[in-house]
Amino acid sequence: SQQGEEDPQALSIQEGENATMNCSYKTSINNLQWYRQNSGRGLVHLILIRSNEREKHSGRLRVTLDTSKKSSSLLITASRAADTASYFCATDTGAQKLVFGQGTRLTINP
Amino acid sequence: NAGVTQTPKFQVLKTGQSMTLQCAQDMNHNSMYWYRQDPGMGLRLIYYSASEGTTDKGEVPNGYNVSRLNKREFSLRLESAAPSQTSVYFCASSAHRDTQYFGPGTRLTVL
Repeated sequence: SQQGEEDPQALSIQEGENATMNCSYKTSINNLQWYRQNSGRGLVHLILIRSNEREKHSGRLRVTLDTSKKSSSLLITASRAADTASYFCATDTGAQKLVFGQGTRLTINP
Repeated sequence: NAGVTQTPKFQVLKTGQSMTLQCAQDMNHNSMYWYRQDPGMGLRLIYYSASEGTTDKGEVPNGYNVSRLNKREFSLRLESAAPSQTSVYFCASSAHRDTQYFGPGTRLTVL
């Protein structure tokens, strides 16, 4: 079964708005990562947040982690058409591998 | 650096045929991974290799075999392809238990 589950499954917003995606997981983690996948392409790493961190920023991305609730959120501010993609969270539980969620499909409308 | 490369990009097989998907990385990473991605299922780990000379099963290993040929190369073999193996296959590599770098994928159709 999937460790991470993203919510919502699909999100459509207007360009310039902020997009928020959530990820919930089931077991303790070492870190949680977010990846982006453009249509027909491989995944690209966006940001990693460790279990002892609560918030991390990278450009227009902001990730939060709440280990007590076993959840994370990815915020993309001032969205652009180029942000249209699927976004996946992945958890590292210390077993030499990541477990990916099913992803959120984000569409930015011009 | 090319990063992670995969061959072929597309493949059509008939049920029962065999084939090997090739993956190579030029980042000197220890760990390599094979995933399959089906619509609505996200990525599921088939096999991984934490270091040269070791391989381990992932979530969905049945019907597949792997070979870690050397530090750079990690191949995935389908001995007798089945329609249920129609999917997009991704190879990835990582230095440690952190960022994974993905190849462009192989789109496999089994008729």
